[in-house]
Amino acid sequence: DAGVIQSPRHEVTEMGQEVTLRCKPISGHDYLFWYRQTMMRGLELLIYFNNNVPIDDSGMPEDRFSAKMPNASFSTLKIQPSEPRDSAVYFCASSLATGQSILGRGNEQFFGPGTRLTVL
Amino acid sequence: GNSVTQMEGPVTLSEEAFLTINCTYTATGYPSLFWYVQYPGEGLQLLLKATKADDKGSNKGFEATYRKETTSFHLEKGSVQVSDSAVYFCALGTQGGSEKLVFGKGTKLTVNP
Repeated sequence: DAGVIQSPRHEVTEMGQEVTLRCKPISGHDYLFWYRQTMMRGLELLIYFNNNVPIDDSGMPEDRFSAKMPNASFSTLKIQPSEPRDSAVYFCASSLATGQSILGRGNEQFFGPGTRLTVL
Repeated sequence: GNSVTQMEGPVTLSEEAFLTINCTYTATGYPSLFWYVQYPGEGLQLLLKATKADDKGSNKGFEATYRKETTSFHLEKGSVQVSDSAVYFCALGTQGGSEKLVFGKGTKLTVNP
């Protein structure tokens, strides 16, 4: 399996521009998570989906941020308009809901390599 | 609510030194506990996990034991290598399915030769 795929890996844009980050989760996974990582705030959960439906978007910083998951193999995180304080590394992660007794697992999330966003 | 408190870094050690990174948690119920590792320029990856009290997770020479009485999940390694230099995150999750994880702030480890 290719793992979680994110694109682009790096994005440099100017303040006010629209930015779209993309994620392809691991095939068969039914949860998808978007995180943001900065030195100041650490790792923050922005939003997560279950079976393509947004479950909790309480971490989305403001209305400039939006996320969609049109199908099980694709999600986007959009920032419009972008601001310099949005500069961060954005991670996508996916996981599969299974009973712990079935596979002996607990809630493991698989992370993508991240998108480093710089807003000038 | 659920939370994780992780020792602040950075931590700098010499090769072959003993490593401990402390992690304590606050949670309702019986959460699963995880250690994730992030190497430079990469995403987080699972290092080890434990799903119930007294379980010991282990991987690549790292160990952590789920201590319910002290609500702790400290990460240890007997002899670190330069290649262990990374950021380590303690996390907890809810039992019974994949939902969001609560992460600690991360501890940066640097191992010098």
